[in-house]
Amino acid sequence: GIQVEQSPPDLILQEGANSTLRCNFSDSVNNLQWFHQNPWGQLINLFYIPSGTKQNGRLSATTVATERYSLLYISSSQTTDSGVYFCAVKDYGQNFVFGPGTRLSVLP
Amino acid sequence: GAGVSQSPRYKVAKRGQDVALRCDPISGHVSLFWYQQALGQGPEFLTYFQNEAQLDKSGLPSDRFFAERPEGSVSTLKIQRTQQEDSAVYLCASSLSAEQYFGPGTRLTVT
Repeated sequence: GIQVEQSPPDLILQEGANSTLRCNFSDSVNNLQWFHQNPWGQLINLFYIPSGTKQNGRLSATTVATERYSLLYISSSQTTDSGVYFCAVKDYGQNFVFGPGTRLSVLP
Repeated sequence: GAGVSQSPRYKVAKRGQDVALRCDPISGHVSLFWYQQALGQGPEFLTYFQNEAQLDKSGLPSDRFFAERPEGSVSTLKIQRTQQEDSAVYLCASSLSAEQYFGPGTRLTVT
């Protein structure tokens, strides 16, 4: 099945810093989502982005489907950005495969 | 409108007990998914429904796991004869088209 890798596994930032999280996948996908899992365990939708670029406030994402990667950019990070960021992809079936996540800690 | 809801939020079961976990999807969402998330890992797919039909149950770890969605709305994930390795967070997601929306999860602890 499709494999998903995320890097870095852990990231520590000072408040106000910018960061880039990466997701690599092993095969063609027709669905890619980025999620933020907050400290209470809730998975929050950030982007549905099978291709192209989207922006939402301080966050933006780019997926280059032909090269099998996606990037999540966080600018001017805040302590509330802390948590785990997951990339999840789906091939042409219905099975959604999650990466192992990037654990982000933003220090005040 | 309301998001995906799950109940109970926390469940402690003694080894060997049966448990039932409930998921209320977003109204009108045709697709419903169950995932299992072990501590420190990403969610893993268990099973998928389109309306009342269970189209994929390839992720269910054993025949002790059973899911149903009899009227195409609320779904129940049942685990029989729970074992310690079943301890995890069970997440439900629903979808109208491509994007999935997740509930808060049920944290199951088997003692």
